[in-house]
Amino acid sequence: DAGITQSPRHKVTETGTPVTLRCHQTENHRYMYWYRQDPGHGLRLIHYSYGVKDTDKGEVSDGYSVSRSKTEDFLLTLESATSSQTSVYFCANRQAGTYEQYFGPGTRLTVT
Amino acid sequence: RKEVEQDPGPFNVPEGATVAFNCTYSNSASQSFFWYRQDCRKEPKLLMSVYSSGNEDGRFTAQLNRASQYISLLIRDSKLSDSATYLCVVNPTSGTYKYIFGTGTRLKVLA
Repeated sequence: DAGITQSPRHKVTETGTPVTLRCHQTENHRYMYWYRQDPGHGLRLIHYSYGVKDTDKGEVSDGYSVSRSKTEDFLLTLESATSSQTSVYFCANRQAGTYEQYFGPGTRLTVT
Repeated sequence: RKEVEQDPGPFNVPEGATVAFNCTYSNSASQSFFWYRQDCRKEPKLLMSVYSSGNEDGRFTAQLNRASQYISLLIRDSKLSDSATYLCVVNPTSGTYKYIFGTGTRLKVLA
């Protein structure tokens, strides 16, 4: 069990508005990840974190920023939402010294 | 060539059947491999990790063929509840952030 919650679980927003998605873990796992999942694509990494205040970009990071001020929370912000960011967003964690990732329940975001 | 490729399916099999999926990967230096199960509109759930030649857990067997660069997932005695999408995931360099996800193989087990 990942011990991950994501909020909100569903959101509809308008183009141009900022949106923040929250990922919260009950464990103190070092690594956390944000992915998006779209039809025809595997999960694609947006940003990841390897510790508090330590983050880096993934393959589809344009238009997104992240913050990790506490071990248990990893926030994903869409600075100015676009329709191309309509997607399902998954957060995952990974314990240091292991390679298995565990996923949260996802956030379904629609940008109109 | 995609880094990780899977046959999208669907594989339609009767209950009790044995079914196998393959997943090919392009990076010959890849070290860690995973199979996840994903139900419709749900998160991926880890089914099995593969680090050496293979792994077995009950009705599920995963095998790694490094020479041909593929991993397989074998499901024996299929249950209706096995119906899901199975994702293949490759970690090209163990311990790094990079995980490459396949687009998944859809399995339908029919009564």
